[in-house]
Amino acid sequence: EAQVTQNPRYLITVTGKKLTVTCSQNMNHEYMSWYRQDPGLGLRQIYYSMNVEVTDKGDVPEGYKVSRKEKRNFPLILESPSPNQTSLYFCASRSGSQVYNEQFFGPGTRLTVL
Amino acid sequence: QQQVKQSPQSLIVQKGGISIINCAYENTAFDYFPWYQQFPGKGPALLIAIRPDVSEKKEGRFTISFNKSAKQFSLHIMDSQPGDSATYFCAASRDGGYQKVTFGTGTKLQVIP
Repeated sequence: EAQVTQNPRYLITVTGKKLTVTCSQNMNHEYMSWYRQDPGLGLRQIYYSMNVEVTDKGDVPEGYKVSRKEKRNFPLILESPSPNQTSLYFCASRSGSQVYNEQFFGPGTRLTVL
Repeated sequence: QQQVKQSPQSLIVQKGGISIINCAYENTAFDYFPWYQQFPGKGPALLIAIRPDVSEKKEGRFTISFNKSAKQFSLHIMDSQPGDSATYFCAASRDGGYQKVTFGTGTKLQVIP
């Protein structure tokens, strides 16, 4: 089944404790992206990657890191989480073979930073 | 800065009615305008999308109207059904969606029987 998977789905952590949220897709997509969703603010893009070793900032990259060492994986790293990073996070991917392609979203990771 | 403004924030429509959600954008370089549907506990899923070279696109009960000169686009849901109750997001991007994607703030639609 073609899908985007995220782990963990739920995470409660404390301020300053480094964490990684993994994202993997099995569709051989070139483009991958991370978003956060907050009430009243919609979805905001954190980082995106157009291919392996190619990443770029979205609208809200502060406090986050990403890496794209393999085509299928795009982990999101919070090196020193803070309470304002409490949010619902989505990973997404899309094919780069042609433009105007559909973006597929994962199921989401709900993060709480105490 | 909010480059894509979406309204209304919430919408209640009776079954069989027409639901209309509006979005306005600022960046004239945007060339891809998708709409996403999100059910509670799920990730967004593409509903319908349009490019600026057409003024309207219809897929079943869902229609996008696009006004390039006004920098506005809207989603119309005809014959709205309770199963359409969800949150809807408009979005905009450059290069056919292969660059940074900017979303609207979302519209929570409730269709009542």
